[in-house]
Amino acid sequence: EPEVTQTPSHQVTQMGQEVILRCVPISNHLYFYWYRQILGQKVEFLVSFYNNEISEKSEIFDDQFSVERPDGSNFTLKIRSTKLEDSAMYFCASSHDQILARFADFGPGTRLTVL
Amino acid sequence: DQQVKQNSPSLSVQEGRISILNCDYTNSMFDYFLWYKKYPAEGPTFLISISSIKDKNEDGRFTVFLNKSAKHLSLHIVPSQPGDSAVYFCAALQNRDDKIIFGKGTRLHILP
Repeated sequence: EPEVTQTPSHQVTQMGQEVILRCVPISNHLYFYWYRQILGQKVEFLVSFYNNEISEKSEIFDDQFSVERPDGSNFTLKIRSTKLEDSAMYFCASSHDQILARFADFGPGTRLTVL
Repeated sequence: DQQVKQNSPSLSVQEGRISILNCDYTNSMFDYFLWYKKYPAEGPTFLISISSIKDKNEDGRFTVFLNKSAKHLSLHIVPSQPGDSAVYFCAALQNRDDKIIFGKGTRLHILP
């Protein structure tokens, strides 16, 4: 069964450094999402992406964050200058269409640790 | 702003018995409610959903009940099995939005 994959599984970085988290969504899916979960907190929506542009973003997704689909398979989340509070589990998700967003498939997550 | 609340951080249930996971919400505009299951080192996995116009949805051992007047939903697992031990997230969304709003999760332990 196809699944969403994410790399790396764990990323450690120094505060102020740039990080890129990578995701390979399911191949026939058209909507892509990033969520994050700070330890002990709820899973929070960051951004949705469709047709090569952001369709919705949360207040968390400020100018330090960007997303890109550089080729036909990868979907990346970039944090330009990481802060301590960016330490979290980042989940990528994808769905076939917007109406089926509730059935989005989630990847295993990347644990980001900012020191 | 906790639109979806799961007030029990953990729950222990004997194998074979019924597990009942509860969830409350504040936004009456939600169109769908969902339950996700999460194992350690894995992403959330969709389990079951219910439309806001229904009050019950059943899928095998899993049943979700929705009480709109109380803004409350629950997930029933019967009979509970060892593999059901996981974190369960209650979630909701509006059709006009892309985002899923999650609760904090409830850790379910199935005891032998």
